Amino acid sequence: GAGVSQTPSNKVTEKGKYVELRCDPISGHTALYWYRQSLGQGPEFLIYFQGTGAADDSGLPNDRFFAVRPEGSVSTLKIQRTERGDSAVYLCASSARLAGPTDTQYFGPGTRLTVL
Amino acid sequence: RKEVEQDPGPFNVPEGATVAFNCTYSNSASQSFFWYRQDCRKEPKLLMSVYSSGNEDGRFTAQLNRASQYISLLIRDSKLSDSATYLCVVNTPQAGTALIFGKGTTLSVSS
Repeated sequence: GAGVSQTPSNKVTEKGKYVELRCDPISGHTALYWYRQSLGQGPEFLIYFQGTGAADDSGLPNDRFFAVRPEGSVSTLKIQRTERGDSAVYLCASSARLAGPTDTQYFGPGTRLTVL
Repeated sequence: RKEVEQDPGPFNVPEGATVAFNCTYSNSASQSFFWYRQDCRKEPKLLMSVYSSGNEDGRFTAQLNRASQYISLLIRDSKLSDSATYLCVVNTPQAGTALIFGKGTTLSVSS
């Protein structure tokens, strides 16, 4: 079946602009995660959705970052007033069950964001 | 101190070699442990979960030492296709269901 998909695969923007990154989880997966991976680092947690609600947004670095999942499926990560330090690969993952730390998280291919 | 620490490598080994990766974690309350594999410019993929009793999957063996807060991954008979970055990953109750990743250890297997 289809895996996690993310669009766009690459996004180049200018400092100060607004960007939206989209994630389509595996069908039926209730849990959705956003991570950010900078060069040479492992992924870092940003936010977790269970259904439509953000169950944990403790990883969002500041209030320029916001994410939604209005219908409990597709999620959009929104970044306002982008800064060069926001350049990274933004990874989305989904898992099947409710709040299960041992549940396998399946990652999408990521969106490579470059802020000039 | 970072929550999950790994030797970044790179580890350069010939085909057929045995190679071991080590990882330490700082939070003694950590409950779940994994190794993920990430190919260049690709997404991370679960390689194996790590259990206290140790577990093996073909050429791969993972060990967990809770007392030392130490996780290891052993790869026997290395193949060219094993070349990748191996990420040590833990989950802690405080993190909810989020995964905490190490920086990764890069392995390059050559013929």
